[in-house]
Amino acid sequence: SQTIHQWPATLVQPVGSPLSLECTVEGTSNPNLYWYRQAAGRGLQLLFYSVGIGQISSEVPQNLSASRPQDRQFILSSKKLLLSDSGFYLCAWSRQVNTGELFFGEGSRLTVL
Amino acid sequence: QKEVEQNSGPLSVPEGAIASLNCTYSDRGSQSFFWYRQYSGKSPELIMSIYSNGDKEDGRFTAQLNKASQYVSLLIRDSQPSDSATYLCAVTRGSQGNLIFGKGTKLSVKP
Repeated sequence: SQTIHQWPATLVQPVGSPLSLECTVEGTSNPNLYWYRQAAGRGLQLLFYSVGIGQISSEVPQNLSASRPQDRQFILSSKKLLLSDSGFYLCAWSRQVNTGELFFGEGSRLTVL
Repeated sequence: QKEVEQNSGPLSVPEGAIASLNCTYSDRGSQSFFWYRQYSGKSPELIMSIYSNGDKEDGRFTAQLNKASQYVSLLIRDSQPSDSATYLCAVTRGSQGNLIFGKGTKLSVKP
């Protein structure tokens, strides 16, 4: 069966510090991968999606970036965090691109102080 | 106009009652519709999908779609305290676009 893991689960970072969140999928090959953010009082916002190694599509311009160095690995990064980057970050995968059937990881809760 | 709108709640129902959750969307080209359940502090999980007008039943859950009215609903029969969660409505943008989520409706089922 397929599983998705992301880490760290929780982190508290100062403004201006870097960020790296990692996500891996097991049990499937060539998954479509997504990074979402859920901020307080807001809906799930799609940040990036990837259909293959090195292929990244950005949905929202911001100080975040994503990379996919391996087929089942997806990384979310920032060089300098802003207060507004606080939120619940969710990695997800799907069998087909732009389908609504998403499988989410456990989430990473980021607080920027 | 917001793309996907839901009443934030909380919606409180007694155990055993029917919970009715509603969602409207703005993009007439949307073709696929989904309900996700999210427990507090956890990630969302898919519970229902619906693609054509009418009703779709799965156990205690029934999804209803009316494309003419741009309206999607989720009925939960025989509600249980374990159904207490936030329910997210999600719609594909256009005919094959990315998934757009509503802010969710918080459901509380009282024993």
